[in-house]
Amino acid sequence: GAVVSQHPSRVICKSGTSVKIECRSLDFQATTMFWYRQFPKQSLMLMATSNEGSKATYEQGVEKDKFLINHASLTLSTLTVTSAHPEDSSFYICSAREVSGGAGTDTQYFGPGTRLTVL
Amino acid sequence: QKEVEQNSGPLSVPEGAIASLNCTYSDRGSQSFFWYRQYSGKSPELIMSIYSNGDKEDGRFTAQLNKASQYVSLLIRDSQPSDSATYLCAVGFGNEKLTFGTGTRLTIIP
Repeated sequence: GAVVSQHPSRVICKSGTSVKIECRSLDFQATTMFWYRQFPKQSLMLMATSNEGSKATYEQGVEKDKFLINHASLTLSTLTVTSAHPEDSSFYICSAREVSGGAGTDTQYFGPGTRLTVL
Repeated sequence: QKEVEQNSGPLSVPEGAIASLNCTYSDRGSQSFFWYRQYSGKSPELIMSIYSNGDKEDGRFTAQLNKASQYVSLLIRDSQPSDSATYLCAVGFGNEKLTFGTGTRLTIIP
C-alpha cells in the first residue's frame, strides 16, 4: 500500500510556542490530505481537509487561526499549532488520499502520527 | 448527517476462532467502505477496502458488504493475539471525506 510519513513523531514544547508538523505522501501524489486529532481512548476527530493549492476546510469548532494548514505541494501538507497550550497536547495524525481513477474508490492512508506534549 | 455505527466492545474472542466485527451506515448513497486497524498508541492502518456487494477476501480477513441492509462486516479467521486492536469502519461517498465509526475494541484471548 501507499506510504505516508509524518515528522516529527514526538515533540515536547513549552506553552506559548508554535509547533509545525509535516505530512508527506512518499510514493503517490495527494491533492487532498486530512488532519486528525485523537485524545487517549477516544475516537479520531477530523480537524480539517487540506487541499493542494487552496485553503484548508476546517471542521466546526476547530480554530483556523490556531491550527494553520499549508498544502504546499502534491506530496506535502503541514499543520502548525500556534501558541500551543497544554490542552493542545494530543496525538495528531494526517492521512493522504490516493486517487484511483474509479468513481468513489479513492483510498486514505494514514501517517504514523505525531505525539505533541505541551508543558 | 452521515453516521457510521459500531459496537464499541470490548469483543473477546479465543485464539484460533473467528472474530466478527460489524458496522452499519446511514447514507444509502455511500460508495466506498474501509476497515482500519489501530493498535494502542499508533495510527490507523488500512486492512481492507470493499466497493461492491458481496465478500472480499485477503488472507485471514474477509470483508462483507450488503448495501441493501447498509451493513458492512469484517471477519478475521484463525484469530491471533496480534489481532488485538481497535477496528475502525469508514464509509465514503465520491471524493468526500470519510466518515468513521468510533471503533470496536477486539481482544484475542490466548
